[in-house]
Amino acid sequence: AQTVTQSQPEMSVQEAETVTLSCTYDTSENNYYLFWYKQPPSRQMILVIRQEAYKQQNATENRFSVNFQKAAKSFSLKISDSQLGDTAMYFCAFMINQGAQKLVFGQGTRLTINP
Amino acid sequence: GAGVSQSPSNKVTEKGKDVELRCDPISGHTALYWYRQSLGQGLEFLIYFQGNSAPDKSGLPSDRFSAERTGGSVSTLTIQRTQQEDSAVYLCASSLTGGSRREQYFGPGTRLTVT
Repeated sequence: AQTVTQSQPEMSVQEAETVTLSCTYDTSENNYYLFWYKQPPSRQMILVIRQEAYKQQNATENRFSVNFQKAAKSFSLKISDSQLGDTAMYFCAFMINQGAQKLVFGQGTRLTINP
Repeated sequence: GAGVSQSPSNKVTEKGKDVELRCDPISGHTALYWYRQSLGQGLEFLIYFQGNSAPDKSGLPSDRFSAERTGGSVSTLTIQRTQQEDSAVYLCASSLTGGSRREQYFGPGTRLTVT
């Protein structure tokens, strides 16, 4: 079975700072995807960034980037120049590239950006 | 275009009553997922529909839970004889399948409260 662990229940930084959220996962599969989702108070889950396991290059999306360490099974999210609108729950998720392709989620990290 | 919609947004029911939760996926998306998010927790997979194939029900917590998807579009999640532990946010997601487009797009969820 696959598991995803987010070891930081809460984090808080000042606006414009850089913050890194940690995520580790456990799997015996080799073909999978990793995701970071953002959930603001509205409850809407929003995809922030995705990473294919076969790609060595780390994914980036504007201020968001990941550090994907496949051997260590680590997938951290870095938010640069943080903004007040980044305040949300952040979930790391894992998906095997076969079958139901269901997402397995971590417990989440509550990130607060302070003015 | 329109995103995933869910109704009702909030539902309060008495213990022992049956409830139905509705999900309208994005037009053209053949895959549909239901997840449950208990208070302060990550998302837990419940059930997966893909086209006309038999659904993957491996995540349903008990036989009180069932779901159907009519005409390959709208889905209804039914919980019979609700219990207090069923209180959670129920999220629906849809996705295209095939190729590399495997992002799941989430609806806003239904918050279920069992009193």
